[in-house]
Amino acid sequence: DAMVIQNPRYQVTQFGKPVTLSCSQTLNHNVMYWYQQKSSQAPKLLFHYYDKDFNNEADTPDNFQSRRPNTSFCFLDIRSPGLGDAAMYLCATSRDRGRPQHFGDGTRLSIL
Amino acid sequence: GESVGLHLPTLSVQEGDNSIINCAYSNSASDYFIWYKQESGKGPQFIIDIRSNMDKRQGQRVTVLLNKTVKHLSLQIAATQPGDSAVYFCAENPDKLIFGTGTRLQVFP
Repeated sequence: DAMVIQNPRYQVTQFGKPVTLSCSQTLNHNVMYWYQQKSSQAPKLLFHYYDKDFNNEADTPDNFQSRRPNTSFCFLDIRSPGLGDAAMYLCATSRDRGRPQHFGDGTRLSIL
Repeated sequence: GESVGLHLPTLSVQEGDNSIINCAYSNSASDYFIWYKQESGKGPQFIIDIRSNMDKRQGQRVTVLLNKTVKHLSLQIAATQPGDSAVYFCAENPDKLIFGTGTRLQVFP
């Protein structure tokens, strides 16, 4: 059974139209992460939550925001998607800092 | 527009042969390394990890070797199977995973 679930698997949005991607976990892990992965590249960390504490990477554009309303759910909001934001977005969780991360299967975002 | 993706290094092996995938890291202070396998259309899957106080760790059909002197990591897959076909990433630092470029493993019959 999937333990890190991302919905939807494929998302299409229009240029400049806000979009939200969701992630849920059944592992009760403290830490949740969002990564961006472009074609033939490695995943790149955008930000992570340690419990309720939000940690943004220095080079993550302001266009990207995140919310974690409870332990199980985490959302990625893209306020004004541009063509360069088309990518696979991966959610991951870990029990605690310093522990292996478990990934969902991602949401592939396309921008029209 | 979208940036052009990097061309992934590719390793082609015959089914049944052993595979060796290499990775170099830059941070000499890194003390924890992980190998992930990513199949097409899926998220990365944890394979094996190793801490810097070890130089070798074995799992089922996989072995990771760590050479801290030259900052090099390798993943050995014994008796490679078609199901091993995927992109393999090494990563350092579990708190803020920094992934290497990745290597595409292709297994042919």
